[in-house]
Amino acid sequence: AQSVAQPEDQVNVAEGNPLTVKCTYSVSGNPYLFWYVQYPNRGLQFLLKYITGDNLVKGSYGFEAEFNKSQTSFHLKKPSALVSDSALYFCAVRDPYGGATNKLIFGTGTLLAVQP
Amino acid sequence: GAVVSQHPSWVICKSGTSVKIECRSLDFQATTMFWYRQFPKQSLMLMATSNEGSKATYEQGVEKDKFLINHASLTLSTLTVTSAHPEDSSFYICSATPRGTNQPQHFGDGTRLSIL
Repeated sequence: AQSVAQPEDQVNVAEGNPLTVKCTYSVSGNPYLFWYVQYPNRGLQFLLKYITGDNLVKGSYGFEAEFNKSQTSFHLKKPSALVSDSALYFCAVRDPYGGATNKLIFGTGTLLAVQP
Repeated sequence: GAVVSQHPSWVICKSGTSVKIECRSLDFQATTMFWYRQFPKQSLMLMATSNEGSKATYEQGVEKDKFLINHASLTLSTLTVTSAHPEDSSFYICSATPRGTNQPQHFGDGTRLSIL
């Protein structure tokens, strides 16, 4: 079955320190991977995607993610966390059986808390 | 670019009434829109895929007579919660994908529905 796992419900990091939010996937074929962020009572905002090419993908707000095929991972990273980065982060993979709809399979989300 | 507008942002109504939520892609055409439901501190649950000019595709367990979806144009999809009851109270989020493969979904800001 196609799936996305975010093993950490919450990640705590001090402001200025590097952060990592983990994501692993299980999908048939080549994975198309996405990261989204959700602030309270808001929809999801697109951060970055990996389709093909360079394994290190750079996205919005200084975030980046590294695609690792051998470990089936797509961890989200940022060199220096900000308090304003505190939010709920979702990893997602395109459903390979979703046809042309670009249907996504979401992870359970990781709450990032950045302490000042 | 790729802005999705969702309206209303918050609805409070009495049990038994029907509520319509609109999702508009403001600067792109979307042949496919998605409707999600999100419970507190949980991930998004896909309810249905809305296809322009045809019937929506509902996920297993979602009552299509309860949650009516209409996608009459390339920029508008509506979700109507019919005869709403307190258990229908939730955060509903729509998303739309621009034409082309591998495009990310872009999300509305969600609708907080509270049924008294």
